[in-house]
Parts: sequence; C-alpha cells; structure tokens
Amino acid sequence: KAGVTQTPRYLIKTRGQQVTLSCSPISGHRSVSWYQQTPGQGLQFLFEYFSETQRNKGNFPGRFSGRQFSNSRSEMNVSTLELGDSALYLCASSLGGDSHEQFFGPGTRLTVL
Amino acid sequence: DAKTTQPTSMDCAEGRAANLPCNHSTISGNEYVYWYRQIHSQGPQYIIHGLKNNETNEMASLIITEDRKSSTLILPHATLRDTAVYYCIVSPLNISLNRDDKIIFGKGTRLHILP
Repeated sequence: KAGVTQTPRYLIKTRGQQVTLSCSPISGHRSVSWYQQTPGQGLQFLFEYFSETQRNKGNFPGRFSGRQFSNSRSEMNVSTLELGDSALYLCASSLGGDSHEQFFGPGTRLTVL
Repeated sequence: DAKTTQPTSMDCAEGRAANLPCNHSTISGNEYVYWYRQIHSQGPQYIIHGLKNNETNEMASLIITEDRKSSTLILPHATLRDTAVYYCIVSPLNISLNRDDKIIFGKGTRLHILP
C-alpha cells in the first residue's frame, strides 16, 4: 500500500505570493491533518479534514486555508506569503473514526524569500 | 502551549534501554497519550499510544502512571537507528466538530544513541 505523498517536495516563493500544497493520503484513509514545522516552534497543528469537512483548526491566521476532495486528497493554501512561513509542511492521514495512528508524509519544504 | 513537558535532549548507550519521560499533568479523562518520533529529514512516525494501562508493541513499551499525569516511553535495546526526536502528545481519539482542543506536538526530546 502506498504511503502518504506530498507534492511538491520543495518550493521557493517570494513574499506576497500564494502557494498551494497537495497531499494524497493512504488509500482508504478519510482524515487528513496538516502541520507546520519550524526550528523555533517545533511541530504545530494547522487543521484536520474528514470527509471533506474541516473538523479541527489550530491557531494560525486566515491566510492558511485548506480543503479536502471527495477522494480524500487534500490541498493547503497559504496566501500573501511572509518570510516566517518558511517551514516544512507535513501532511498526515488516518482512517478516522476509531483509528489512533497517523501516517505522515515526507513533507513539503517551503522557502519564502 | 503544549500539554506535555519533555526533556530537551537525552543520551543513551547503544544496546541499553532508553527511557524517555513525559509529563502531562493536565491530561483529561478522554485523552490518550501518543508517542511519535521523527528521524532527520523524514515525517514523524507513530510509535505507540495508551489510555490508562501500560502498552507494549514491537517497537516500544509505554508506562503510564496511575494518576496519568506522566508516562515513560521505553526502547528496550536502543540502536543507532533510534536516534531521533521523540514527541509525546495527549489528544482525544475523536476530534469532533467545533472543538477548541488542539493537537500540539511540542518540541520533543532529541535522543542521541551513543555507539
């Protein structure tokens, strides 16, 4: 069974631009969560989607948004990029429901110049 | 803020048991204790979880105190490949709509396995 895939793996943008990151969960998984990882703040939760609905949200500004499609694939969008948005963005999928384990993808490394 | 407190770093000799502590004094009755680890340049990897009872799987053992305010992850025979950042997280299983609870990883413990 293929793991969680994220595209692109690396991305360079400039301040003020917007970016869309993609995550394909493990087949059959309905829950997708997004995290931001930076050296200073560690791993921080952004939001979680289940069956195309946002179920939970972290403490990030409205510039960070996401969505989930009917095939459970998810996208995350960041508008008006700031230098501080440079980070590793990780996606994790799980079955949802009674499943405890989250499976993480390799992440997308975003650099904002 | 993270709901857990972990030491910033620890060292362990190869072949010995690595015992990683975690304090979660504000844990709620419906929250599980999860452990993940992250090896450099990879996404986090699930290790184990527990609610009240001690748990063991092929990777590790999880010891949870009776009051559930702290736990210890035990890697019985540490190898160099266990060098990673270990995250202790508390979270309810089912995250329902409109909850204010956040899933917070914190900064974890950087475990160095020494040859």
